[in-house]
Amino acid sequence: EAAVTQSPRNKVAVTGGKVTLSCNQTNNHNNMYWYRQDTGHGLRLIHYSYGAGSTEKGDIPDGYKASRPSQENFSLILELATPSQTSVYFCASAQNSGNTLYFGEGSRLIVV
Amino acid sequence: GDKVKQSPSALSLQEGTNSALRCNFSIAATTVQWFLQNPRGSLMNLFYLVPGTKENGRLKSAFDSKESYSTLHIRDAQLEDSGTYFCAAEAGQGGRALIFGTGTTVSVSP
Repeated sequence: EAAVTQSPRNKVAVTGGKVTLSCNQTNNHNNMYWYRQDTGHGLRLIHYSYGAGSTEKGDIPDGYKASRPSQENFSLILELATPSQTSVYFCASAQNSGNTLYFGEGSRLIVV
Repeated sequence: GDKVKQSPSALSLQEGTNSALRCNFSIAATTVQWFLQNPRGSLMNLFYLVPGTKENGRLKSAFDSKESYSTLHIRDAQLEDSGTYFCAAEAGQGGRALIFGTGTTVSVSP
């Protein structure tokens, strides 16, 4: 079973502050993803990666950056957090495109 | 618009009953995945489907790519089946290709 772990699990940030959400996977998957989940929208793709050094924009990338320094780690960075970025963020991994997706436990972010 | 439309949006079931959830696609879906988000918020993969059917215990899922829909059948519903079910479709190639529906929230009561 794929193991995807996220940190922090809960965070309160101030408007204008920097937030980094971290994700680690131990199954040597190539692809990693960051989604946010909001009521009425389901899961929306922010950024994704095909492997170390690769980051790609998803459907809602504005206000977010991503970093994939290694196969195992994929970070989501909010340089200037805004209240509209209050959400639950999920990291996921898959062996390759079109393969089964495995999710982390989610990170709840509140921006005040 | 809704590329992946799930119905119903909510469902109340009594223990022991059967029901079906549906996803309709307005994209050319090539594979479908079904997930269950439990009341604690964890997302668990239930099925990965190419066109055809799969069964796992009391759950059975089908994907018809020609008619652009997928179904998830719950047989003999149990309390632990409660949660929100999401379908997600892959359209073509590329890492961004999984598109999620907005979910069906299932509540199973005794």
